[in-house]
Amino acid sequence: DAMVIQNPRYQVTQFGKPVTLSCSQTLNHNVMYWYQQKSSQAPKLLFHYYDKDFNNEADTPDNFQSRRPNTSFCFLDIRSPGLGDAAMYLCATSSRTGYNEQFFGPGTRLTVL
Amino acid sequence: QKEVEQDPGPLSVPEGAIVSLNCTYSNSAFQYFMWYRQYSRKGPELLMYTYSSGNKEDGRFTAQVDKSSKYISLFIRDSQPSDSATYLCAMSSPHSGGSNYKLTFGKGTLLTVNP
Repeated sequence: DAMVIQNPRYQVTQFGKPVTLSCSQTLNHNVMYWYQQKSSQAPKLLFHYYDKDFNNEADTPDNFQSRRPNTSFCFLDIRSPGLGDAAMYLCATSSRTGYNEQFFGPGTRLTVL
Repeated sequence: QKEVEQDPGPLSVPEGAIVSLNCTYSNSAFQYFMWYRQYSRKGPELLMYTYSSGNKEDGRFTAQVDKSSKYISLFIRDSQPSDSATYLCAMSSPHSGGSNYKLTFGKGTLLTVNP
């Protein structure tokens, strides 16, 4: 089945220690998104790639970076995690056309100690 | 005022009840309206989407959009314990500077259907 895969599902890091979250997709979609979702809150878009074009949301902190080496993979790098960065990180994909149905991965739950 | 407002609940109903979930919005640029279901510790999955005002039915689910009032609803008939999840409304508008769209989500309503 075509799908969006996120690894790891659970990540524990220490305050200030860089961490990388991974997303891969078999849908061959052009667009990949990273969202941050804190408990009982709406998913918040951090940035997205439209093919190789990177689009950052205006209020995404500089601490968050992303890489997309090819169509299938996208990474979220948190350079110096703070306690406030503890959240669920969701990766989603969509095709270039259409109304933008987004397909989500299961998420990575990040804990910062 | 937030762009999308959704009552977070929680909402608890007995099995078989009709459930009504609602969102209001303020941004007239929203063009598509979606409902996602999110089970605990999982990613959201798309339930239904609509474009125009009116109703759209899919099995036990009915999505309703009233653009004049900026109000959308999701109705679940004959609710089942397996419907217990968080329901997120989402709205789509063209992303500035690009041809793809961005989603703006509500906070989600936590629904529990009791056997």
